[in-house]
Amino acid sequence: DAKTTQPTSMDCAEGRAANLPCNHSTISGNEYVYWYRQIHSQGPQYIIHGLKNNETNEMASLIITEDRKSSTLILPHATLRDTAVYYCIAHNYGQNFVFGPGTRLSVLP
Amino acid sequence: NAGVTQTPKFQVLKTGQSMTLQCAQDMNHEYMSWYRQDPGMGLRLIHYSVGAGITDQGEVPNGYNVSRSTTEDFPLRLLSAAPSQTSVYFCASSSTGGTGELFFGEGSRLTVL
Repeated sequence: DAKTTQPTSMDCAEGRAANLPCNHSTISGNEYVYWYRQIHSQGPQYIIHGLKNNETNEMASLIITEDRKSSTLILPHATLRDTAVYYCIAHNYGQNFVFGPGTRLSVLP
Repeated sequence: NAGVTQTPKFQVLKTGQSMTLQCAQDMNHEYMSWYRQDPGMGLRLIHYSVGAGITDQGEVPNGYNVSRSTTEDFPLRLLSAAPSQTSVYFCASSSTGGTGELFFGEGSRLTVL
């Protein structure tokens, strides 16, 4: 899997959109961009994934640049419960997931 | 829906003791894996399995054994616990034919004195 780079930490005001960036400049053509989050010490939770097109589900939106070298996870209206560590992973089907240190998002009241 | 169930949630061992962390999933997933997470760090893969009877090593396999006799169960064995194995252990599973999404258990916190 390609290496990803994320900021160590970010803050966001409650009710505002949280935009979490991820760089994956060495991503290969068949690698998907996955996002997981880990709230406190719970098991990581899948959020969303995509290959080329932007994706949206009930939790978040994923914006992938046209050259696929970076992406942004958007939580449209962050709540205090969104405080967590967010992991961006470039992943090839059939391979194991490799988790980096992620971004610690703090949603502030 | 039970999903992925890990037991025990907490365990304290003395150096040299052995124990087994249990993991069971009820989603008929072919793929199962064990990760460990140390404070302030990401998850590191210990062992994984792509089906019953098939296991393989991950990034940090030393000191751990696994077996996969059924689709549902994937126990992790510590034969002789060491303080360096103090960590939180997560079991995960996925369907190899689906989106590849990993489903995680709630974790097992192990302390080795």
